[in-house]
Amino acid sequence: AQTVTQSQPEMSVQEAETVTLSCTYDTSESDYYLFWYKQPPSRQMILVIRQEAYKQQNATENRFSVNFQKAAKSFSLKISDSQLGDAAMYFCASGSNYKLTFGKGTLLTVNP
Amino acid sequence: EAGVAQSPRYKIIEKRQSVAFWCNPISGHATLYWYQQILGQGPKLLIQFQNNGVVDDSQLPKDRFSAERLKGVDSTLKIQPAKLEDSAVYLCASSLTGGTVTEAFFGQGTRLTVV
Repeated sequence: AQTVTQSQPEMSVQEAETVTLSCTYDTSESDYYLFWYKQPPSRQMILVIRQEAYKQQNATENRFSVNFQKAAKSFSLKISDSQLGDAAMYFCASGSNYKLTFGKGTLLTVNP
Repeated sequence: EAGVAQSPRYKIIEKRQSVAFWCNPISGHATLYWYQQILGQGPKLLIQFQNNGVVDDSQLPKDRFSAERLKGVDSTLKIQPAKLEDSAVYLCASSLTGGTVTEAFFGQGTRLTVV
């Protein structure tokens, strides 16, 4: 079974600052992917970044990067130079063995 | 490429009524998911199809919920009869493959309100 835990229900950041969202996961699979999805008020889930578990190098996508600690089963998201448009719910998810499991989400507020 | 299409966007029904949601996944995607997302929570998987076969429906309340995916393409999710606690957003997603999920694409969801 897979579980994904996001321990921060809410986070806030000042515009242009950096924020880190936490996620831990548990899986018995050796082959899996990890994801961060963004869900703005429009409700559509948008993929922000993904990490293949077999890759040691942390994934980056422009202002978004992850800190993947496989042994600790930790997968945090760092948003640099935060923008007002980054305000949304962020969900961490794990995908393996035909299952895509989500955490409960972190609501990110960006203050101007 | 066209995204995952869902309809309707919004639906309001009275308890004990029936409702159906429709999803058209991205062309060629073998795996289709239906998630229920209650306000303030993460998505919960209701049912997952691989082509037109069910992979996982362990969290589907089968006494009132049903889903089908005819010909391995479009899918419908039905609730009959609806309860107040079914008020939620119903998300459909699709991915190219099953097994190790490499990426899933989501539709805009259907917001259901049961009064």
